[in-house]
Amino acid sequence: AQSVAQPEDQVNVAEGNPLTVKCTYSVSGNPYLFWYVQYPNRGLQFLLKYITGDNLVKGSYGFEAEFNKSQTSFHLKKPSALVSDSALYFCAVRDITGGFKTIFGAGTRLFVKA
Amino acid sequence: EAGVAQSPRYKIIEKRQSVAFWCNPISGHATLYWYQQILGQGPKLLIQFQNNGVVDDSQLPKDRFSAERLKGVDSTLKIQPAKLEDSAVYLCASSFDRQGVSNEQFFGPGTRLTVL
Repeated sequence: AQSVAQPEDQVNVAEGNPLTVKCTYSVSGNPYLFWYVQYPNRGLQFLLKYITGDNLVKGSYGFEAEFNKSQTSFHLKKPSALVSDSALYFCAVRDITGGFKTIFGAGTRLFVKA
Repeated sequence: EAGVAQSPRYKIIEKRQSVAFWCNPISGHATLYWYQQILGQGPKLLIQFQNNGVVDDSQLPKDRFSAERLKGVDSTLKIQPAKLEDSAVYLCASSFDRQGVSNEQFFGPGTRLTVL
């Protein structure tokens, strides 16, 4: 069965420092991987996705993520954090061999301190 | 481009009552999803439609939940009768998937349901 794990409930980082939000997954076939962000009192928004090709994908607001097949990970990164990046981040996987159902992780709250 | 619309935004009911949620996806999006998001958890897929056909409803509690997508556009999700554990935010999303399944989902603002 497919699953997604976000091992950290919260990540704290100082403004200007690099940030990483971790995600690991388990699927039976090749995954489609996504990151979404949820700002307070706003709906979920798409950040970036990995389908195929280059393992490093770039997305909105300066975020990027690296797909690592051997470690089954898809960590979200940003070189320099902003206070406005503080939000709830969700990793999601879509198993293309299992009916295309999307599974979301439990979420990681990012807190960026000025 | 208009986003995914949902109504109502908030609903408070007593247990054993019924409730219905409505969703209007982005125009042209073939795939529509209903998720349940309990506080502190990630969204859980309840049902996924491709046009007006069901692709996946394996996590839909079919004894009390039902959903339909008539004419492949709008969708309604119904709970009857509601239980306390149904208190959650119900999210509707849509995506432009046609032949492929690689497209991102666009989410509505959600309906916050409180069951007393």
